[in-house]
Amino acid sequence: DTEVTQTPKHLVMGMTNKKSLKCEQHMGHRAMYWYKQKAKKPPELMFVYSYEKLSINESVPSRFSPECPNSSLLNLHLHALQPEDSALYLCASSHPGLAGGTSSYEQYFGPGTRLTVT
Amino acid sequence: SQQGEEDPQALSIQEGENATMNCSYKTSINNLQWYRQNSGRGLVHLILIRSNEREKHSGRLRVTLDTSKKSSSLLITASRAADTASYFCATDAVLGTYKYIFGTGTRLKVLA
Repeated sequence: DTEVTQTPKHLVMGMTNKKSLKCEQHMGHRAMYWYKQKAKKPPELMFVYSYEKLSINESVPSRFSPECPNSSLLNLHLHALQPEDSALYLCASSHPGLAGGTSSYEQYFGPGTRLTVT
Repeated sequence: SQQGEEDPQALSIQEGENATMNCSYKTSINNLQWYRQNSGRGLVHLILIRSNEREKHSGRLRVTLDTSKKSSSLLITASRAADTASYFCATDAVLGTYKYIFGTGTRLKVLA
């Protein structure tokens, strides 16, 4: 199984709502990533988890809160978002690579969640 | 700023022709990867080339890497309409971490 699944596919939320994005993989990957992608732009790294611990936070606003409850699941909790947060949110996973934290392995991406904040 | 800049930004070719896109980056890398993204969907990994490799092939894909010039190219031979997509390079921008930075991308359109 080389699939990364993301739910929901589409999400529309108001600025006062709380919602969560979910990502799941069963490839035994121990590195998981959240990216944000605006239209016609490259993906921008938000968070990386390595062995269920937060490894990288790219100075993401606190209205985005990641969580990695186990080695297969990655969540992104959303609260009090702004319209400019509307984007495609992509989850990815990879082998963790070297013990030092490098990843020299391909990333497997999910299909993304299209988020619209109204 | 972006680690990778790609050119051209957009490319339109006829089916059967070859497509070449280029990626330049700024810092030392362990490896460089190329991904394809169909419109509004997730990215698909195409090929990974390590810093000690100069060329790699996978089917109709050929990737070159010139670390002295900090640049890479992706060649798609005998293109098909199904190759229509955006193509991104990605580099491990900070050695020793999981931080990958994607280039600006090339939007390829293959006309049937």
